[in-house]
Amino acid sequence: ETGVTQSPTHLIKTRGQQVTLRCSSQSGHNTVSWYQQALGQGPQFIFQYYREEENGRGNFPPRFSGLQFPNYSSELNVNALELDDSALYLCASSLGVGAGGLYEQYFGPGTRLTVT
Amino acid sequence: SQQGEEDPQALSIQEGENATMNCSYKTSINNLQWYRQNSGRGLVHLILIRSNEREKHSGRLRVTLDTSKKSSSLLITASRAADTASYFCATDASNNNDMRFGAGTRLTVKP
Repeated sequence: ETGVTQSPTHLIKTRGQQVTLRCSSQSGHNTVSWYQQALGQGPQFIFQYYREEENGRGNFPPRFSGLQFPNYSSELNVNALELDDSALYLCASSLGVGAGGLYEQYFGPGTRLTVT
Repeated sequence: SQQGEEDPQALSIQEGENATMNCSYKTSINNLQWYRQNSGRGLVHLILIRSNEREKHSGRLRVTLDTSKKSSSLLITASRAADTASYFCATDASNNNDMRFGAGTRLTVKP
């Protein structure tokens, strides 16, 4: 078990609605990354936050947005939900980037989002 | 878009046998990491190998990296039923701050 927690565990929303997912980082970690994992696929990088600033973004539309708070917890917001947004959303905390590249990431258990 | 590609997509072996999974990637990397995921749950970090390393061990795990072929392999020796899970490689590209995962290898170890 990592020290990363996510809430809620499961969520059902209707197309067009908005959703907020939350993540609490492991103690001492200042970097949070969010991933979307569709069934049977690997995680897809959404974005990363480092010390409250966005520090990289994957190929996701602007309706996917995020926040990182001073205590390094984080939120993922998705507006105008589409059926294809149904997936497992994972957050991962880490120490960020060092001389050898990204540090190992510690994943939370994920939030299963279903859009109907 | 995904960077790593795992091979095979699925692998079924008997307990006690060795399991080998391969990963290929496309761009230059800082490091490559292997993760494990039990069904529908979060990923667990297994091992990180840097671009200037060729081989790394951790318990029953052995990872190799060949940057000239842009490929890596994960070997699990003396497999156990509890090793049943999906295994992903993830690359940290030299010009990005993101981590790119492959589609994973689904390993089943039969008791």
